[in-house]
Amino acid sequence: DQQVKQNSPSLSVQEGRISILNCDYTNSMFDYFLWYKKYPAEGPTFLISISSIKDKNEDGRFTVFLNKSAKHLSLHIVPSQPGDSAVYFCAAADSGTYKYIFGTGTRLKVLA
Amino acid sequence: NAGVTQTPKFQVLKTGQSMTLQCAQDMNHNSMYWYRQDPGMGLRLIYYSASEGTTDKGEVPNGYNVSRLNKREFSLRLESAAPSQTSVYFCASSEAPGDTQYFGPGTRLTVL
Repeated sequence: DQQVKQNSPSLSVQEGRISILNCDYTNSMFDYFLWYKKYPAEGPTFLISISSIKDKNEDGRFTVFLNKSAKHLSLHIVPSQPGDSAVYFCAAADSGTYKYIFGTGTRLKVLA
Repeated sequence: NAGVTQTPKFQVLKTGQSMTLQCAQDMNHNSMYWYRQDPGMGLRLIYYSASEGTTDKGEVPNGYNVSRLNKREFSLRLESAAPSQTSVYFCASSEAPGDTQYFGPGTRLTVL
């Protein structure tokens, strides 16, 4: 039973355009959500997070949106750059526990 | 400031052999974690240590043991390796339980 789902294994976007990565979750106890970026042969790197008390968090070119009623979050990257090409994982946690649940990842390719 | 370091980077074992994966962090974090990542799956928590002197099971603990040697170091031991343990192993740390986790570069383990 996968509690965090990233239904798009891959996504290609032209440089300068918007990249939208999606993530769905099933556990209503999750109240903290994160996005990590991973390059080949490296560990995941923290990108941005959002608490369930907010519906949007922005950091430079990266914005995360949270729709609690739909149990859905998305990561927007504007404008996309070739260096953004990586695998993106969303993760969710119940802040009362120590455990992150990760999605399976979406491979983003930004075309120059 | 190296962040989270892991050794070795690569390892090949034969079925039944044992080995220990080492992890150290220099961020003075209290909590440390071990994950595995398999193709088509997200990262799954093996064990975690909320603070020095404590360890607890995660989602997939069978076949593994851990030791929180001190505040900096958290090791993962495979007593009798099996092919099903072929994976990439990531160590992570956070300032406190539930805080943002920061990952090491990973150890790629193959069990023949």
